[in-house]
Amino acid sequence: KAGVTQTPRYLIKTRGQQVTLSCSPISGHRSVSWYQQTPGQGLQFLFEYFSETQRNKGNFPGRFSGRQFSNSRSEMNVSTLELGDSALYLCASSLATDPSTDTQYFGPGTRLTVL
Amino acid sequence: AQTVTQSQPEMSVQEAETVTLSCTYDTSESDYYLFWYKQPPSRQMILVIRQEAYKQQNATENRFSVNFQKAAKSFSLKISDSQLGDAAMYFCAYRSDNYGQNFVFGPGTRLSVLP
Repeated sequence: KAGVTQTPRYLIKTRGQQVTLSCSPISGHRSVSWYQQTPGQGLQFLFEYFSETQRNKGNFPGRFSGRQFSNSRSEMNVSTLELGDSALYLCASSLATDPSTDTQYFGPGTRLTVL
Repeated sequence: AQTVTQSQPEMSVQEAETVTLSCTYDTSESDYYLFWYKQPPSRQMILVIRQEAYKQQNATENRFSVNFQKAAKSFSLKISDSQLGDAAMYFCAYRSDNYGQNFVFGPGTRLSVLP
């Protein structure tokens, strides 16, 4: 079974631009979560989507948004990029059908650099 | 809100030796799940081990085992017979039994394995 895939793997943007990152979950997984990882702040939760609905949201400004499609693929958008948005963005998927057995599986990440 | 603490930012171990990474968490819930994830230099997050809070028996996966102390809210990871490939960042994570809450990650411990 294929793992979680993220595209693109690397991205360079300039301040003020917007960016869209994509995540394809493991087949059959209905939940997709997004995380921002930086050296200073560690792993911070952005949001989780389940069955095309945002189920949980972290403490990020409205410039960060996401969506999930009917095939469970998810996109994350960041508008009006700032230098501080430079980070590794990780996507994780899970079945999300039973908490007692559920586990998140991560993609390789998208490295975003904002100049 | 739940918090996860890893008090050792960096640790090192000699190859073939045993090392223990510490993790403590704060929660008022009685049912939850704990995880250790490994992030090698490739940045791909890999699940190492998982523990259900309602299980008294400590989880083991080959050379990896945990010491789960529910009353003390402690969840340490023991790596036996350390190998060079074990060098990575290790993250402790907490997940509620309630899907209304997301995963909470600790700040990580960087493990170096010395030949």
